[in-house]
Amino acid sequence: GAGVSQSPRYKVTKRGQDVALRCDPISGHVSLYWYRQALGQGPEFLTYFNYEAQQDKSGLPNDRFSAERPEGSISTLTIQRTEQRDSAMYRCASSSFGANVLTFGAGSRLTVL
Amino acid sequence: QKEVEQNSGPLSVPEGAIASLNCTYSDRGSQSFFWYRQYSGKSPELIMSIYSNGDKEDGRFTAQLNKASQYVSLLIRDSQPSDSATYLCAVAPTSGSARQLTFGSGTQLTVLP
Repeated sequence: GAGVSQSPRYKVTKRGQDVALRCDPISGHVSLYWYRQALGQGPEFLTYFNYEAQQDKSGLPNDRFSAERPEGSISTLTIQRTEQRDSAMYRCASSSFGANVLTFGAGSRLTVL
Repeated sequence: QKEVEQNSGPLSVPEGAIASLNCTYSDRGSQSFFWYRQYSGKSPELIMSIYSNGDKEDGRFTAQLNKASQYVSLLIRDSQPSDSATYLCAVAPTSGSARQLTFGSGTQLTVLP
């Protein structure tokens, strides 16, 4: 696509439910990144992929968080048993392989009640 | 713990003045340095990157890097109201990839007409 597309844009869920956030990167972008951004803070690295391979997941807060990119294109970030502290803007970004220019999507705002 | 520190502001400058934004980082091994601009409610967008000590100019923007002092700055000349945004400093450990970008919390800039 022309830009990085994320869905849903807004998600409100109850504590304990699972959520899945989707990212469709720019066509041809090999690298895909997930960040989380709290209000008034900069984005915080979660994980990234080159093609379908998850290269680094050191930023995932705990084992309730997981991400996949099975065909090297669309990625899904899954949060199991959501907690109120998971409420944040989740941003996806993509880049060409080895490039240092990230293009961010509009984000998915998650609210856990 | 890798940290990137920025003065959160808000920083207010009159239209036409020079805005100076500063950033310090803790990881001496950092190789790549970026400035992102984030308008309220929008996603971050890259405006400058710098990899070597000294100054790098791009239009009204100048990035300055001093690795010995672990200091990065962004100067905006002839500031315009449209420059009002949050400016995020980001640092990466390698020169060839945006992986594991560490962002500061941002400096909010307001340019007064």
